[in-house]
Amino acid sequence: GENVEQHPSTLSVQEGDSAVIKCTYSDSASNYFPWYKQELGKRPQLIIDIRSNVGEKKDQRIAVTLNKTAKHFSLHITETQPEDSAVYFCAPAYSGAGSYQLTFGKGTKLSVIP
Amino acid sequence: GAGVSQSPSNKVTEKGKDVELRCDPISGHTALYWYRQSLGQGLEFLIYFQGNSAPDKSGLPSDRFSAERTGGSVSTLTIQRTQQEDSAVYLCASSLVSSGGQYFGPGTRLTVT
Repeated sequence: GENVEQHPSTLSVQEGDSAVIKCTYSDSASNYFPWYKQELGKRPQLIIDIRSNVGEKKDQRIAVTLNKTAKHFSLHITETQPEDSAVYFCAPAYSGAGSYQLTFGKGTKLSVIP
Repeated sequence: GAGVSQSPSNKVTEKGKDVELRCDPISGHTALYWYRQSLGQGLEFLIYFQGNSAPDKSGLPSDRFSAERTGGSVSTLTIQRTQQEDSAVYLCASSLVSSGGQYFGPGTRLTVT
């Protein structure tokens, strides 16, 4: 099965600074790479995803970069704001028979200090 | 449109009792997933359904856990003879098979006393 590791497990940044979270995975067949944000007491929400045919995707202040050779992908948040404080999960997946089996990392708790 | 809904939002039960948790996926989503999240932990995959295919039950922790999906829409997760270690938030998600992105319901917080 897929082994997924996230680093760091906790991250504190000053408001306005950038934050980077890295996710490494073991299954070279993985071809879908999403990031989820979970605020305290709320459901996980998909914030950005990338597929294996592209190396980088950006959506306003967030971006995801993928290095398939090294089997890792990263979440980048620029100009952090207090509302970015949450736990972030990566969940690499292989699409087999049309369905995406996500394997979640253990999460990174991001704290943005005003 | 409406998102994924789950009921009940909270369930307190006594050890040894059976419980049923319900999930209504987003209309048109053919894939449905169940996860379990213990306090402060990540998401543990339990089971998924895709269309009319046989479900993938590989994540179910014991034979006390089972799930059904009727008519390709609503799903019910049943836990028999509940144990204290079953206490967790049970999350349901659905997706379009073609897209991959899973959209989660609000979860059911199960407490076994």
